[in-house]
Amino acid sequence: ETGVTQTPRHLVMGMTNKKSLKCEQHLGHNAMYWYKQSAKKPLELMFVYNFKEQTENNSVPSRFSPECPNSSHLFLHLHTLQPEDSALYLCASSQEYGSNQPQHFGDGTRLSIL
Amino acid sequence: DQQVKQNSPSLSVQEGRISILNCDYTNSMFDYFLWYKKYPAEGPTFLISISSIKDKNEDGRFTVFLNKSAKHLSLHIVPSQPGDSAVYFCAASFTGANSKLTFGKGITLSVRP
Repeated sequence: ETGVTQTPRHLVMGMTNKKSLKCEQHLGHNAMYWYKQSAKKPLELMFVYNFKEQTENNSVPSRFSPECPNSSHLFLHLHTLQPEDSALYLCASSQEYGSNQPQHFGDGTRLSIL
Repeated sequence: DQQVKQNSPSLSVQEGRISILNCDYTNSMFDYFLWYKKYPAEGPTFLISISSIKDKNEDGRFTVFLNKSAKHLSLHIVPSQPGDSAVYFCAASFTGANSKLTFGKGITLSVRP
């Protein structure tokens, strides 16, 4: 599925680096999400943006900073990450938050913290 | 505390047979349930959903059954094909503002040729 595109697909960074993950959706959706998937754990919701407004911050550490400049783009800015932050980061979109419509996922960014 | 549980981590089935993937939930407020399929190196793909007003929803080879009293749902794949080999996630939400999807850990399905 190419409706939600994430870049980069893989990222290796040191704990002192600053990097950003990018997500773009071409589905005309109004809600966008960041999830974290660690090994052998369920997907964990991190942030939700609905009509460009942040509506959920699921107790995410401040070293993760989201940005949603418009309904089609979502960023996750990373700064001073820890080794336990190594995971697959998935972006998703849906028509509207809370509307019981399926979320459509990108292929994720595999992040490794050295 | 996991509100959506997929207790079997894996399932192996012969091609052509039925695959039955189970999911249990604890939150009685959930009224919308989804199944996603995930191949390695790809994001989850929406497969099928069911609202709590129904007890069955069918889409081709895929059928989801919901038993609200038991807080249990299952995904049936008939007939199973090797291309169905993937990780299957169950997810649940409830109607209303700020309702987020809660996912299970996933079940790895292997369909043997």
